[in-house]
Amino acid sequence: TQLLEQSPQFLSIQEGENLTVYCNSSSVFSSLQWYRQEPGEGPVLLVTVVTGGEVKKLKRLTFQFGDARKDSSLHITAAQTGDTGLYLCAGGTGANSKLTFGKGITLSVRP
Amino acid sequence: DSGVTQTPKHLITATGQRVTLRCSPRSGDLSVYWYQQSLDQGLQFLIQYYNGEERAKGNILERFSAQQFPDLHSELNLSSLELGDSALYFCASSVGRQGLRDTQYFGPGTRLTVL
Repeated sequence: TQLLEQSPQFLSIQEGENLTVYCNSSSVFSSLQWYRQEPGEGPVLLVTVVTGGEVKKLKRLTFQFGDARKDSSLHITAAQTGDTGLYLCAGGTGANSKLTFGKGITLSVRP
Repeated sequence: DSGVTQTPKHLITATGQRVTLRCSPRSGDLSVYWYQQSLDQGLQFLIQYYNGEERAKGNILERFSAQQFPDLHSELNLSSLELGDSALYFCASSVGRQGLRDTQYFGPGTRLTVL
């Protein structure tokens, strides 16, 4: 069974601070996706990374896929209150039909 | 708004009952996915349909079944409900082409409470 461990589970920071959160597995994935989910809504895809070592930037968010395609990190620069939410990572294999999700990181950014 | 619609938004029922959750995919999407999200298990993939046919199966209980109709909408049927089935149920849709970048768009979910 493929498992994705996300850490930390909860994070509360002040607006303007930087943060890095992690998604780790002992399994190799073909792709790694990050989603953000807000209360009462479904997850929204932020990024997909498919190549080991790949780095993608989305405004103040930087995503990295580990060289061995077993782990990923998400770095947020100068966090804003609008970044508050549940961040989920998901690993895909093969045709990407069966995504394996981590349990998520609850981020709270205080004004 | 992802373009995926789910009904109902909330459902409260009793143990032993049967319910049906409905999903309409985004226009043009051929694949529909069902997920269950609970506090202890997180988001778990249940099943995927592509153009009416089952394509992939995850941790779906035998008491649960799904189907995708010719108009591409999908239904998830949950029977002999137990307290532990209380969860958020999400539907997602995608174009369905094989590949690592086939983006899944999630609906707003149905919150099921079993009393």
